[in-house]
Amino acid sequence: GQNIDQPTEMTATEGAIVQINCTYQTSGFNGLFWYQQHAGEAPTFLSYNVLDGLEEKGRFSSFLSRSKGYSYLLLKELQMKDSASYLCAVMDSNYQLIWGAGTKLIIKP
Amino acid sequence: ETGVTQTPRHLVMGMTNKKSLKCEQHLGHNAMYWYKQSAKKPLELMFVYSLEERVENNSVPSRFSPECPNSSHLFLHLHTLQPEDSALYLCASSQRAGGGGNTIYFGEGSWLTVV
Repeated sequence: GQNIDQPTEMTATEGAIVQINCTYQTSGFNGLFWYQQHAGEAPTFLSYNVLDGLEEKGRFSSFLSRSKGYSYLLLKELQMKDSASYLCAVMDSNYQLIWGAGTKLIIKP
Repeated sequence: ETGVTQTPRHLVMGMTNKKSLKCEQHLGHNAMYWYKQSAKKPLELMFVYSLEERVENNSVPSRFSPECPNSSHLFLHLHTLQPEDSALYLCASSQRAGGGGNTIYFGEGSWLTVV
């Protein structure tokens, strides 16, 4: 079967750095997405990786290793507004999105 | 503002009621989706429409009935629901229904409670 694993919940301190991991086993691979979802709001697109390596966008970076079936989302200089759930999703060989259950990130002052 | 709007935002309905969820996208996309989001579970894809034609139906019970009158509007008609159907229902759109790098844009969701 197809599976996406990510931690259920993480806690970090304002101003610090946090890394949210995502491992996947899917039938084929056509890219990996990260979304941010604040409580009661729409998931919003953060990043897309299809090649190995690190993609940086301001305070957020996303890394992919296809050989390891592994990605992480790195958040730097954490702010209270970064408290949200972070969803990892992989597009399989049929271009279907397989979703993880999300990681709830709690930022403490 | 994500370009995808859903109404109502909150809905409480009895098991014998009939109601509908509405979604409208202002992004000029050709594909629209209904997802179900339950607490601590992955997003579940329910229906996919491409250019108003249903291209996927993931074994969803018939008490959920989608309708796509044009590429900008999508409805989810609800009837004789069960309490376990209580969840957040997310509408989404994308440029096309498949293909690499096809980013999906979500609406803010409709919270459904079945009593």
